Amino acid sequence: DAGVTQSPTHLIKTRGQQVTLRCSPISGHKSVSWYQQVLGQGPQFIFQYYEKEERGRGNFPDRFSARQFPNYSSELNVNALLLGDSALYLCASSLQGINTEAFFGQGTRLTVV
Amino acid sequence: DAKTTQPPSMDCAEGRAANLPCNHSTISGNEYVYWYRQIHSQGPQYIIHGLKNNETNEMASLIITEDRKSSTLILPHATLRDTAVYYCIVRVLSSGSARQLTFGSGTQLTVLP
Repeated sequence: DAGVTQSPTHLIKTRGQQVTLRCSPISGHKSVSWYQQVLGQGPQFIFQYYEKEERGRGNFPDRFSARQFPNYSSELNVNALLLGDSALYLCASSLQGINTEAFFGQGTRLTVV
Repeated sequence: DAKTTQPPSMDCAEGRAANLPCNHSTISGNEYVYWYRQIHSQGPQYIIHGLKNNETNEMASLIITEDRKSSTLILPHATLRDTAVYYCIVRVLSSGSARQLTFGSGTQLTVLP
């Protein structure tokens, strides 16, 4: 079975540009979450989507947005990129049941120059 | 979710048991203890979770103290491939809530040959 897949794996953008990151969850998983991991720190929660609806949002500015499609894949968009947005962006999928774990993809390494 | 405290780093000899402690003294009765690990440049990997009873799976054992204020993750026979950052996370499980994981700084476990 395929795990969580993210694309692209690496990306270099210039300050002020916009970026779209993509995530395909494990088959059968309807919940997708996004995390940002800055070098040397643990992942920080950005968004969670379930059945195409936003179920949670972390402490990130409005430049960050996301959506989930009918096939449960998801996109994370970041506008007006700043140098501080350089990070590993992780996607996690899970079943929506009470007692389940999250499965993470390998992440997208975004570098803003 | 309750805050956790972990040592920043630990070493373990290959083939020996690795015992990773976690303090969660403010844990509530409905909060579970989760462990994830992150091997360099990869997404976090679920290891194990528990509420109050000790748990064991093919990867590790989780020992939770009777008062639930601390826990220990045990890797019974550590290998070089177990070198990673280990995160202890405490979270409430509810079907209606956002299902984010709150990562701290974790413990860098280095398995030595």
